[in-house]
Amino acid sequence: AQSVSQHNHHVILSEAASLELGCNYSYGGTVNLFWYVQYPGQHLQLLLKYFSGDPLVKGIKGFEAEFIKSKFSFNLRKPSVQWSDTAEYFCAVRGNYGQNFVFGPGTRLSVLP
Amino acid sequence: DGGITQSPKYLFRKEGQNVTLSCEQNLNHDAMYWYRQDPGQGLRLIYYSQIVNDFQKGDIAEGYSVSREKKESFPLTVTSAQKNPTAFYLCASSPLDRSQGTQYFGPGTRLLVL
Repeated sequence: AQSVSQHNHHVILSEAASLELGCNYSYGGTVNLFWYVQYPGQHLQLLLKYFSGDPLVKGIKGFEAEFIKSKFSFNLRKPSVQWSDTAEYFCAVRGNYGQNFVFGPGTRLSVLP
Repeated sequence: DGGITQSPKYLFRKEGQNVTLSCEQNLNHDAMYWYRQDPGQGLRLIYYSQIVNDFQKGDIAEGYSVSREKKESFPLTVTSAQKNPTAFYLCASSPLDRSQGTQYFGPGTRLLVL
């Protein structure tokens, strides 16, 4: 069965610090990979996705993620965080032959002004 | 304005009571999903449906039931058999075409037990 792990439960950073949130998945075949964000009181929304091609994908609000197939990883990065990035971040994976998405437990990011 | 609506925003359940959470989408998506979100556990799949009148159990279907009589609607019933129903419930939809394939989420319903 597919599973997704996220390295950190809660990350606290100061504004302008760099961010990297870890995501690893277990699945033997081709996958689609996603990062979703849930801002306080708002819908879960897509940050970025990887289907194929360039393993470095860019998303909204200056976020990017790198797919490293050999490490089964899809880490999320941002060079300089803002207070408005305070949110919960979820990594998700979908196998290429299934319809279901499997989500990680989430990482809560708190950015201090 | 396309999207997914869920109602109510908050729902209270008494012991032994069944309650139904509404989910409607106007995105013309074939697939719809119900997730349960608990702190520190991410989103866990309860049920999903890829077509009208057909649905499949997810990882934690026990104590829940669904129906899919219309493409736009996918209501979830939390039955009295669900012993720990307090959670945040999220509905989502996606196109079946995998090349389009992200999920869109509703605002959620928070269920509390009295």
